[in-house]
Amino acid sequence: SQTIHQWPATLVQPVGSPLSLECTVEGTSNPNLYWYRQAAGRGLQLLFYSVGIGQISSEVPQNLSASRPQDRQFILSSKKLLLSDSGFYLCAWSAGTNNQPQHFGDGTRLSIL
Amino acid sequence: SQQGEEDPQALSIQEGENATMNCSYKTSINNLQWYRQNSGRGLVHLILIRSNEREKHSGRLRVTLDTSKKSSSLLITASRAADTASYFCATVNSGNTPLVFGKGTRLSVIA
Repeated sequence: SQTIHQWPATLVQPVGSPLSLECTVEGTSNPNLYWYRQAAGRGLQLLFYSVGIGQISSEVPQNLSASRPQDRQFILSSKKLLLSDSGFYLCAWSAGTNNQPQHFGDGTRLSIL
Repeated sequence: SQQGEEDPQALSIQEGENATMNCSYKTSINNLQWYRQNSGRGLVHLILIRSNEREKHSGRLRVTLDTSKKSSSLLITASRAADTASYFCATVNSGNTPLVFGKGTRLSVIA
């Protein structure tokens, strides 16, 4: 069966520090991968998605970047965090096209001080 | 941008009652999906309904889709305290772009 791992679960970082959040998927090949941010009590904002290794689509201009160095690994990064980067970050995968359900990790709660 | 808008924003019911949540969207869709999120956790996929379908069932869940009104509803029958969560609709539009999520309905089921 397929599983998705996302870590860390919580993270407290100072303003201006770098960020690296990692997400890995097991049990499937060539998944579509997604990074979302969720503000408190709000819906999900799609940040990046990837349909293959090295292929990244950015949905929102921001202080973040994403990379997909391996088929089932998706990394969210920042060189210098801002206060506005605080939030709940979710990674998800789906099989093939966008017509398939997405499967989510348990998220990373990021607090910027 | 957000496509789906759930209504109501919050809903509180007694255990055993039915819960109905609605979702409206603006553009033509390929499919509409409902997800559930427990507090502080990731989302869990519930049901996918395609644009040529009108109704789908899964256990105590019933989803309807009215493409003429650009709306969908999620009905949870005989609710339980464990159904307490936020429920989101999400759409894939006809251009086949990634899912766009609404802001969700917070459901509280009181035992």
